[in-house]
Amino acid sequence: DGGITQSPKYLFRKEGQNVTLSCEQNLNHDAMYWYRQDPGQGLRLIYYSQIVNDFQKGDIAEGYSVSREKKESFPLTVTSAQKNPTAFYLCASIGPTRYGYTFGSGTRLTVV
Amino acid sequence: AQSVTQLDSQVPVFEEAPVELRCNYSSSVSVYLFWYVQYPNQGLQLLLKYLSGSTLVKGINGFEAEFNKSQTSFHLRKPSVHISDTAEYFCAVSVTGNQFYFGTGTSLTVIP
Repeated sequence: DGGITQSPKYLFRKEGQNVTLSCEQNLNHDAMYWYRQDPGQGLRLIYYSQIVNDFQKGDIAEGYSVSREKKESFPLTVTSAQKNPTAFYLCASIGPTRYGYTFGSGTRLTVV
Repeated sequence: AQSVTQLDSQVPVFEEAPVELRCNYSSSVSVYLFWYVQYPNQGLQLLLKYLSGSTLVKGINGFEAEFNKSQTSFHLRKPSVHISDTAEYFCAVSVTGNQFYFGTGTSLTVIP
């Protein structure tokens, strides 16, 4: 079955370390997105990419970086510049009809 | 810019009782509207969507929503809830079908 795979499901890192979250999709979707979810704040857009080798900042891009070298993959790096990185991170994609996201199951990052 | 307001952060309801989760949006143009459900530590699943046509939209798990353009609302309803409906529910709006804006979520707790 097609879908989006996020790994790992849980991730622990020490403060000051960079960490990369994986997002892979086999839906042949062009557009991919990264959201951050915090309790009581809903989902906030970090970065999105509508085509390979191109991406745009979302509302809270500071302290994050992405790449889109392949259509299937959209990894997110949480850098040491992100002041409060502990959160639940969700990856999503949209197909050609653009009528609704498909979401991955998320990665919970805890920085200690 | 678009925004979404979910007025109720938490909604407790007894099993087999009806429920309504409220969603209001602001936009000066026509929008697409969505409801998603999120179970603990999982991604979001699409419940239903309004793209055009009939203002009453039926989704999965017995949920339905009504689009009211004059009141800019898209409230989610279910006539009889089950324990398994306990989850977080998010309303989302999109103008282009390409980028979505989410509300802060409503936590539905079904009480046995």
